[in-house]
Amino acid sequence: KQEVTQIPAALSVPEGENLVLNCSFTDSAIYNLQWFRQDPGKGLTSLLLIQSSQREQTSGRLNASLDKSSGRSTLYIAASQPGDSATYLCAVPNQAGTALIFGKGTTLSVSS
Amino acid sequence: GAVVSQHPSRVICKSGTSVKIECRSLDFQATTMFWYRQFPKQSLMLMATSNEGSKATYEQGVEKDKFLINHASLTLSTLTVTSAHPEDSSFYICSFLGRGDPNEQFFGPGTRLTVL
Repeated sequence: KQEVTQIPAALSVPEGENLVLNCSFTDSAIYNLQWFRQDPGKGLTSLLLIQSSQREQTSGRLNASLDKSSGRSTLYIAASQPGDSATYLCAVPNQAGTALIFGKGTTLSVSS
Repeated sequence: GAVVSQHPSRVICKSGTSVKIECRSLDFQATTMFWYRQFPKQSLMLMATSNEGSKATYEQGVEKDKFLINHASLTLSTLTVTSAHPEDSSFYICSFLGRGDPNEQFFGPGTRLTVL
């Protein structure tokens, strides 16, 4: 059964720092991996989707990498800003390749 | 990305009542959609998968008679929590499965249900 783990559970950094969020999954046979952002009491915003054949994806200050063989993904945030404060979730498709299995998330707080 | 709406965004009800949550895709049609729920400090967990025109498939531990799903059309799905109890208080989020490659999911903004 696929399990997704995110470390750390919470992270506090001063504005301007570069940071890395980690995600690991137990079954490496995934179609893709997706990173989301969730603001308190809100829905999900898709940040990056990495196909299983890709090693990384970039969007602005965000860079996500994928190492299927080791069951790991990282989300790199450059030059963090207070507006980046949110919970970041990673998710992989279930065995059917449709619904998503989520980690518990990393709650990021960026202070000004 | 595609736009998905949910209504209501927040609802408070008394124990024993039923609550209907509506999920609508505004700019695309989708055959498959999902309902997830998220308890405090927990990850989103899949409740059920539904395909338009057929019965929903529920995950283990989710009571199909308690959580009624009606996938009425390619743009509308409803989740009815029947005889709600305080332990049903949670954040409910729907998503529609896109048809592109890869199969992205497009999420609604969620509904916060509080059962007193």
